[in-house]
Amino acid sequence: DQQVKQNSPSLSVQEGRISILNCDYTNSMFDYFLWYKKYPAEGPTFLISISSIKDKNEDGRFTVFLNKSAKHLSLHIVPSQPGDSAVYFCAASVRGTYKYIFGTGTRLKVLA
Amino acid sequence: DTAVSQTPKYLVTQMGNDKSIKCEQNLGHDTMYWYKQDSKKFLKIMFSYNNKELIINETVPNRFSPKSPDKAHLNLHINSLELGDSAVYFCASSQGLAGVETQYFGPGTRLLVL
Repeated sequence: DQQVKQNSPSLSVQEGRISILNCDYTNSMFDYFLWYKKYPAEGPTFLISISSIKDKNEDGRFTVFLNKSAKHLSLHIVPSQPGDSAVYFCAASVRGTYKYIFGTGTRLKVLA
Repeated sequence: DTAVSQTPKYLVTQMGNDKSIKCEQNLGHDTMYWYKQDSKKFLKIMFSYNNKELIINETVPNRFSPKSPDKAHLNLHINSLELGDSAVYFCASSQGLAGVETQYFGPGTRLLVL
């Protein structure tokens, strides 16, 4: 049972444009969400997080939006840069359960 | 200076063999984890240790045995390797228990069982 889903396996965007990566979840108990970025042959690295008490969190070019009623979160990257080309994983957790559930990732390619 | 390191980076072995993967973190974190990323790219938690105590064991076959000699190390030993064990194994650490803590991942160990 895949509780966290990233339905787009890949996405291509022109440099300078907005990249929007989507993530859906099924467990309404999830109350903390994160995005990780992964380059080939490296481990995932933390990008940005959001608590369920918020609907938006911003860090530089990266913004995460949370829509609890739709059980949906998205990551916006503006403007997209070639160095953003990577696989992006969303992850969710229930506080106190001590683990994250990861999606299968979306491969973003930013074209120069 | 690498924060979370794993050895070896690549491991090719025959079915039935026993192998170990080592993980070390120099971040002073209390909690360490093992994840498995299979061919479908699911990144699934296997084990979590906090201060050398097992916190999470996600119904992993008992051929997999984690060992934490100290807070900075979490090794994974796999007995009687099977074809389905082929995957990328990631070690991670966090300051406290996951749920609100950022996890820092190692580079992964690519295991291929022939």
